[in-house]
Amino acid sequence: AQSVTQPDIHITVSEGASLELRCNYSYGATPYLFWYVQSPGQGLQLLLKYFSGDTLVQGIKGFEAEFKRSQSSFNLRKPSVHWSDAAEYFCAVGSFSSASKIIFGSGTRLSIRP
Amino acid sequence: DAGVIQSPRHEVTEMGQEVTLRCKPISGHDYLFWYRQTMMRGLELLIYFNNNVPIDDSGMPEDRFSAKMPNASFSTLKIQPSEPRDSAVYFCASSFRDFGETQYFGPGTRLLVL
Repeated sequence: AQSVTQPDIHITVSEGASLELRCNYSYGATPYLFWYVQSPGQGLQLLLKYFSGDTLVQGIKGFEAEFKRSQSSFNLRKPSVHWSDAAEYFCAVGSFSSASKIIFGSGTRLSIRP
Repeated sequence: DAGVIQSPRHEVTEMGQEVTLRCKPISGHDYLFWYRQTMMRGLELLIYFNNNVPIDDSGMPEDRFSAKMPNASFSTLKIQPSEPRDSAVYFCASSFRDFGETQYFGPGTRLLVL
């Protein structure tokens, strides 16, 4: 069965510092991978997604993620965070065989230190 | 486009009462998803529809929950009777074509069952 693990529940970084949020997945075939962001009191918004091709994916708001099959990881990165990046971040996995069903990780809450 | 619209945004009810949550997907989207988010269980897919037809309801917790999509622009999630453990944020999301497309989330309905 598919699963997604986000090992960090809460991360705090200083404004302007770099960021990396970890995501590990478990799936036998090539997964489809997503990162969503949820601001307080809001719904989720897609940051980026990976289906195939280039393993480094660019998303909105300056985020990028790299698919590493050998490590079953899809970590999210940003070179310099802004206070407005404070939010909850969710990694998700799906596959063609599971049709439209995607599984979300438990989320990582990001706080920004002024 | 106004995005996915959910109503009500907040609902407080007493145990045993019927609760109806409403969702209007983005026009032209043919997939609609209902999710539930709690601290304990994270974000769970309850059910999803394709062209108004329920495809997978394996995430619906029990018979007290039911969902309908009478037409392409409206869906309801009903809980009858409600219980305190149903307290959560319920999200509706929609997407165009197959699951490879981005899911657009509504702002959610925060439900509190006393």
